Amino acid sequence: GAVVSQHPSRVICKSGTSVKIECRSLDFQATTMFWYRQFPKKSLMLMATSNEGSKATYEQGVEKDKFLINHASLTLSTLTVTSAHPEDSSFYICSARDPAQGQHGYTFGSGTRLTVV
Amino acid sequence: GENVEQHPSTLSVQEGDSAVIKCTYSDSASNYFPWYKQELGKGPQLIIDIRSNVGEKKDQRIAVTLNKTAKHFSLHITETQPEDSAVYFCAASTNDMRFGAGTRLTVKP
Repeated sequence: GAVVSQHPSRVICKSGTSVKIECRSLDFQATTMFWYRQFPKKSLMLMATSNEGSKATYEQGVEKDKFLINHASLTLSTLTVTSAHPEDSSFYICSARDPAQGQHGYTFGSGTRLTVV
Repeated sequence: GENVEQHPSTLSVQEGDSAVIKCTYSDSASNYFPWYKQELGKGPQLIIDIRSNVGEKKDQRIAVTLNKTAKHFSLHITETQPEDSAVYFCAASTNDMRFGAGTRLTVKP
């Protein structure tokens, strides 16, 4: 089946630095990828929709200059948390849609736990 | 936009009993309703899904029902086992996917 690889699985960074998280579709081409954020014991909140070759669409309340999304190829989307602060510490999860599986062919990555110290 | 509500937030059952989790959604355009199981520190894993043209779907011990008129859908797990313990999320989808708040299921041996 479709596989989505997310890297790194865990990252610790200092306040003020930037962190890049990668989301790769391994065996399919994903024209659309999604980025979610999950706080402890909370649900997944959609941050943005990433479309290959175009600008990402951000959900209300999500700072596009803070969370930079690049979907430069059909198999890779990246999320960069810029000037990270402790409140950005969270579990970030991507998902990719496999067009071959139709409109609802979503596959999730394994998540990235970001800790900002 | 879509709003998905999920109940209960926590559920504890005895091994072998059934567990039921319920969700409601607000956007009548939603046409795909997956259920995910998430274990600690991992991404969500799809366990079953249902599309809007189907009222019920079953896969071994897991079943999902959908009532489009009432905009609610439910997950049913029968003969629960300790390894079923996890957080379960419902979701509703049109062009993107919105999740419910999650249910922490504990199956006591």
